[in-house]
Amino acid sequence: GQQLNQSPQSMFIQEGEDVSMNCTSSSIFNTWLWYKQDPGEGPVLLIALYKAGELTSNGRLTAQFGITRKDSFLNISASIPSDVGIYFCAGQGGTSYGKLTFGQGTILTVHP
Amino acid sequence: NAGVTQTPKFQVLKTGQSMTLQCAQDMNHEYMSWYRQDPGMGLRLIHYSVGAGITDQGEVPNGYNVSRSTTEDFPLRLLSAAPSQTSVYFCASSYFYRGEKETQYFGPGTRLLVL
Repeated sequence: GQQLNQSPQSMFIQEGEDVSMNCTSSSIFNTWLWYKQDPGEGPVLLIALYKAGELTSNGRLTAQFGITRKDSFLNISASIPSDVGIYFCAGQGGTSYGKLTFGQGTILTVHP
Repeated sequence: NAGVTQTPKFQVLKTGQSMTLQCAQDMNHEYMSWYRQDPGMGLRLIHYSVGAGITDQGEVPNGYNVSRSTTEDFPLRLLSAAPSQTSVYFCASSYFYRGEKETQYFGPGTRLLVL
């Protein structure tokens, strides 16, 4: 089946620093989604990408859909304490509508 | 819109008991899915539905049943709970934009402990 490798597994940064995380897939995806999960909550959609090469921003967040359609990255600029949480990438490929494959998550800790 | 709602929020079961996790969405989304989340493993797909009356298995379907009689509801049934089913369960619904694009929205989760 499809597999996603997300890295890094965890990050410890100072407030104000930029953050970068990425996901790579063993197969091609048609859609890449980036989610953030706060403790005790469900994942919340941050950015959705639908086209190879697409670069999309949402405030301080920027994500890109890789040209090969097998990877995606998420950047967070000027991190703040409320950025703390777990970030997940998810991909959907082929005609697998309704089925997402998730990365293992990146745990982000921001020190004030 | 309430979005995706799940009940209960917490549940403790004994091995062998059965229960149903409820999921409802009010966004008229066609697709609904159930995931389980275990530490260090991200979210894994249990079952999903592409419309009322249509369901299919995901990555980890064993021990779970689903049905979809209406667009709004997608309950997940544990027929005989096992400790390995201790997890956090998330329901999600999704729509298609221009027939090509998918965005999934998640409920708040149900935390299940099987003793």
